[in-house]
Amino acid sequence: DAKTTQPTSMDCAEGRAANLPCNHSTISGNEYVYWYRQIHSQGPQYIIHGLKNNETNEMASLIITEDRKSSTLILPHATLRDTAVYYCIVPDAGNMLTFGGGTRLMVKP
Amino acid sequence: NAGVTQTPKFRVLKTGQSMTLLCAQDMNHEYMYWYRQDPGMGLRLIHYSVGEGTTAKGEVPDGYNVSRLKKQNFLLGLESAAPSQTSVYFCASSPLLAGAQEQFFGPGTRLTVL
Repeated sequence: DAKTTQPTSMDCAEGRAANLPCNHSTISGNEYVYWYRQIHSQGPQYIIHGLKNNETNEMASLIITEDRKSSTLILPHATLRDTAVYYCIVPDAGNMLTFGGGTRLMVKP
Repeated sequence: NAGVTQTPKFRVLKTGQSMTLLCAQDMNHEYMYWYRQDPGMGLRLIHYSVGEGTTAKGEVPDGYNVSRLKKQNFLLGLESAAPSQTSVYFCASSPLLAGAQEQFFGPGTRLTVL
């Protein structure tokens, strides 16, 4: 069973922030939240991960709620090249990634 | 660094034929993985390896075999291809880090079985 739920699709205007939500209400205390994205026909690309604190890198920011039951991936200034499927993943007990349906983000001019 | 490379990029097989897909990584990673992705779906784990000489089954292992004779290479074999194995195959690798699971993916192999 998937550990995360995400909206099927979202639109964002170019240059605006894209906020992608993810619910992981059954997450346990030592489980990380990972975000990957897959641009059409390419292999998935790691974006960011976090445990409790908010995280930021050159690609995105990850905001995790205090109760850790949900998180939001933020692309601060979305470009057309950010159009992709975004996967929110909580690895299983064997640290394996399960890719669900993800959120299809469409960045529009 | 080339990262993760996959050979071949495309292949067409007839039902019953066999083939081997090669994955190579130059990052000295311990873990390697093979996934398949069907149209409109997420990736599903076929087999994985936690080190040279070791392999384990993933979510959808039937019809596939793997070998990890060298740390940098992970081979995926189809002994008798079936049309249901038409898919895009992705290889990935990751370092051995407690609590972390950043995987690096290859560009994929597009396989069609007629």
